[in-house]
Amino acid sequence: QLTQSPSSLSASVGDRVTVTCRASQGIVGALAWYQQKPGKPPKLLIYDASTLQSGVPSRFGGSGSGTDFTLTISSLQPEDFATYYCQQFHSYPQVTFGGGTKVEIK
Amino acid sequence: QVQLVESGGGVVPPGGSLRLSCVASGISFSFLGMHWVRQAPGRGLEWVAFMGFDGSYGEHYADAMRGRFTVSRDKSTNTLYLEMSSLKPDDTAVYYCAIFAAPEDFWGQGVLVTVSS
Repeated sequence: QLTQSPSSLSASVGDRVTVTCRASQGIVGALAWYQQKPGKPPKLLIYDASTLQSGVPSRFGGSGSGTDFTLTISSLQPEDFATYYCQQFHSYPQVTFGGGTKVEIK
Repeated sequence: QVQLVESGGGVVPPGGSLRLSCVASGISFSFLGMHWVRQAPGRGLEWVAFMGFDGSYGEHYADAMRGRFTVSRDKSTNTLYLEMSSLKPDDTAVYYCAIFAAPEDFWGQGVLVTVSS
């Protein structure tokens, strides 16, 4: 089970944003982060907890291992307003998603 | 280029059945298999099921779907199916097929299933 917090947040362009994801048991570094915009499928941002997917801006960063993980957006841009999900694949092929964090404009 | 295209969604009454299809093109058979993921209106992502491309990984289901949903595959047409039965209103969702093979990661556009009388 993955618990994301907060479930939503309001932020301004240029802000530093942090989203956390806590696993109910250790998953080493088997965690990914996705971004989803309304009406679209999710887009992979980070995998293996901290590896940036090709083409994803460097303002996105991931860290953590074991049970506690963090997604950081160093300087929020207008196109970053979306919902973010963590996903564990330690128990692949059974994967689990966190509940999501909606990032809204302040 | 990998492309996943779902079809078969629609409105079905409670207790009814429906079969979804996902046609995959451009896929590599180095991938372990394909998943179904769903998203209820205004809600988060929920993993549904997985089918392996060979016998190593088999079939896997989320607990809430086991016994009601069945995945299958037609290798000749590269089509993944999700057979859903005893449908409940809570099964109303957009259903995506997906391949998770980081750094490669592919999703279809999704198909809406509405369970309503």
